[in-house]
Amino acid sequence: DSGVTQTPKHLITATGQRVTLRCSPRSGDLSVYWYQQSLDQGLQFLIQYYNGEERAKGNILERFSAQQFPDLHSELNLSSLELGDSALYFCASSVDEGSGPKNIQYFGAGTRLSVL
Amino acid sequence: AQTVTQSQPEMSVQEAETVTLSCTYDTSESDYYLFWYKQPPSRQMILVIRQEAYKQQNATENRFSVNFQKAAKSFSLKISDSQLGDAAMYFCAYRSARTDKLIFGTGTRLQVFP
Repeated sequence: DSGVTQTPKHLITATGQRVTLRCSPRSGDLSVYWYQQSLDQGLQFLIQYYNGEERAKGNILERFSAQQFPDLHSELNLSSLELGDSALYFCASSVDEGSGPKNIQYFGAGTRLSVL
Repeated sequence: AQTVTQSQPEMSVQEAETVTLSCTYDTSESDYYLFWYKQPPSRQMILVIRQEAYKQQNATENRFSVNFQKAAKSFSLKISDSQLGDAAMYFCAYRSARTDKLIFGTGTRLQVFP
């Protein structure tokens, strides 16, 4: 068990809908990362938050947004869903000692999103 | 932009034997970190081993070791005494020392036969 908790484990929804994925980082970790794993794109970095602030952005669509709350949990919001958004969404967290060697990312078990 | 390439989509090994998974990467940076993550059928991404680019010594974690060739930009994973529980997808990942995001390869599916 990595200590990173993601809910829900599975989500089935229809095109055009909006969903929220939730992540609780490991105790003491200040950084949260979101990754998308799909068959055609592989594992891709979406966005990073550090202590409530957005720190880095990757290939995240404008229909997607995220935030990190004062208790450090994070939510990834996906709206106007399309069939191609079906994927496994991972959250990872790290203690974030700069970008040095101790900044190891630990992953949650993922949320599998199916858009029908 | 940095890229990570895993040229072996699938590999297989007999239990108790040794297998090597390949990974190459492309970067113009001199300071970075490399990782191998394992993804079993449970989907959980598990860190197997990591290597700091400034360290010449190859990292080792029990039955897992790496062969890091910085000049060749190669980072292979050797699994010794393979066990059935090693069956999984293995992803090679790169992280620059300047950023925190991980860049993953496409993965290698490892099968372990009894």
